[in-house]
Amino acid sequence: SQQGEEDPQALSIQEGENATMNCSYKTSINNLQWYRQNSGRGLVHLILIRSNEREKHSGRLRVTLDTSKKSSSLLITASRAADTASYFCAPQEAQGAQKLVFGQGTRLTINP
Amino acid sequence: SQTIHQWPATLVQPVGSPLSLECTVEGTSNPNLYWYRQAAGRGLQLLFYSVGIGQISSEVPQNLSASRPQDRQFILSSKKLLLSDSGFYLCAWSVWQVGGYTFGSGTRLTVV
Repeated sequence: SQQGEEDPQALSIQEGENATMNCSYKTSINNLQWYRQNSGRGLVHLILIRSNEREKHSGRLRVTLDTSKKSSSLLITASRAADTASYFCAPQEAQGAQKLVFGQGTRLTINP
Repeated sequence: SQTIHQWPATLVQPVGSPLSLECTVEGTSNPNLYWYRQAAGRGLQLLFYSVGIGQISSEVPQNLSASRPQDRQFILSSKKLLLSDSGFYLCAWSVWQVGGYTFGSGTRLTVV
């Protein structure tokens, strides 16, 4: 099954700066999803980008997908302290039970 | 609206004791259901998933088991807990080819 690998493992920036996280995967996908996890909480679905899409926006989030390179990026613009969390990418295959296999995530810290 | 309930929120159990964690979903029919475990500071490990009543697929051999007695009920069990079973357990659901996963708030299990 598919697993996303996030990079970097940890990222620390100042409030107001942009944060970019990357994800790589190995095989063909139907879509790729990004999730956020605040400390000690469940994951929250942020955005889904389909394999035939190259870029998608949602508020301050911008996701890109390059299927030829099997990679995706999540950009958070004008970061806020509340964006401090772990971020996970999850590539999803088209067949089977649509199970998502998560990587280790990127731990993002926004410093005031 | 669709919601997912997971309980208890925290649990401290002695080694060798049994375990039963319950997850229920409201507002949707025939969801795919998933159990994940997350060790401290780590990514999520998929334990079990189910595409229908009585249908359970195990991802990782261990002393845990799962059952789905009703369409929107998913139970994680163990007959005898090990220290290594400690972690943060998350239940999630999805609908075939519709959007992403919705996660519960999690159960923090400490085996002592």
